[in-house]
Amino acid sequence: QKEVEQNSGPLSVPEGAIASLNCTYSDRGSQSFFWYRQYSGKSPELIMFIYSNGDKEDGRFTAQLNKASQYVSLLIRDSQPSDSATYLCAVNGPSNTGKLIFGQGTTLQVKP
Amino acid sequence: DADVTQTPRNRITKTGKRIMLECSQTKGHDRMYWYRQDPGLGLRLIYYSFDVKDINKGEISDGYSVSRQAQAKFSLSLESAIPNQTALYFCATSAGGSSHEQFFGPGTRLTVL
Repeated sequence: QKEVEQNSGPLSVPEGAIASLNCTYSDRGSQSFFWYRQYSGKSPELIMFIYSNGDKEDGRFTAQLNKASQYVSLLIRDSQPSDSATYLCAVNGPSNTGKLIFGQGTTLQVKP
Repeated sequence: DADVTQTPRNRITKTGKRIMLECSQTKGHDRMYWYRQDPGLGLRLIYYSFDVKDINKGEISDGYSVSRQAQAKFSLSLESAIPNQTALYFCATSAGGSSHEQFFGPGTRLTVL
């Protein structure tokens, strides 16, 4: 089992729809969870982080964390073609070592 | 000006050559990291450093070495480049402590022929 798993996609949604991106992790001791957006050929850009169970909203983005199920998700409301990118889920490494473990990323395509 | 810079941005080299990739940051962060990214494999950690005197191997350190010349500078070397080291390389920084957020440089695209 990979430490951080994401469906590689591509996930295709129409413009204006809600895109739901999912991530599971294996280390129950993980405390910090991050979503990065990466456009093709560019560097990852942090868009959301969440530390506590529940939802965290920032504009069109909502991160959801369920530690009991070891599951973190990212919802993008009113998806735009400019949201088309790869979304990387990252989880802080075991024993809070300061390392992040990245999933392989989910490619999102928003079609006009 | 970018907070995290990498040089060169693109490099083509031949098998067996020694290559150095450089990373500089103006964020004042203590922690620096080197990753490589390959299609379908996500980001994999090569080396990381929590301060000038602290260097740690990541999951794929074989064939690589690093030097932390100063708080702001962290370089990655390929002593004898091989074709399967062709990849996109990213440097990242973080503040440390309770903050695990990492901030990435623009990347170096390395091709080994």
